[in-house]
Amino acid sequence: NAGVTQTPKFRVLKTGQSMTLLCAQDMNHEYMYWYRQDPGMGLRLIHYSVGEGTTAKGEVPDGYNVSRLKKQNFLLGLESAAPSQTSVYFCASSFGTADGYTFGSGTRLTVV
Amino acid sequence: AQSVSQHNHHVILSEAASLELGCNYSYGGTVNLFWYVQYPGQHLQLLLKYFSGDPLVKGIKGFEAEFIKSKFSFNLRKPSVQWSDTAEYFCAGRGSARQLTFGSGTQLTVLP
Repeated sequence: NAGVTQTPKFRVLKTGQSMTLLCAQDMNHEYMYWYRQDPGMGLRLIHYSVGEGTTAKGEVPDGYNVSRLKKQNFLLGLESAAPSQTSVYFCASSFGTADGYTFGSGTRLTVV
Repeated sequence: AQSVSQHNHHVILSEAASLELGCNYSYGGTVNLFWYVQYPGQHLQLLLKYFSGDPLVKGIKGFEAEFIKSKFSFNLRKPSVQWSDTAEYFCAGRGSARQLTFGSGTQLTVLP
């Protein structure tokens, strides 16, 4: 089925470890986004991309890096994980700026 | 900066009761507004959206929302809720920026 696929679904990291979250979409969407969801805070935008090879900072970018080498993939990296990065991470994509988003199923990350 | 506010953090209703969840946005000009629903353990799904035209928007599963420009509001309504409507509901908006800004969410619990 067409949509947004996130891997992995769950991960536990130790403080200081690094990891990459992968987001893949097969809808030929130009725009892709990474959000984190924390209780009582809704979804906050980490980084986004308006096309292949482009990235931009969102509301809470510190401690994260992203890359969009291919149009269908948007990677979120944590270089040195911290307990404050324990969260559920959602990737989303959209065709244009006037469209709603299609969300992935999320990655639950725990940093101990 | 654009922002979206949801003042009801948790709403508890009995089946067949009517629902209204509040959403207010802070920016003027052209605005796109959305309501998303997140069922337990699942990703966000689009309920409805407003871009222009008729301020009363109908979405899936019997939900509707009314855009009131003078009140900067986009409240979600449903005349009769069901147990299966138990979920978290997010309002989101887009003004001049390309990306959506989400509210903090409202947890709806429907008692059978």
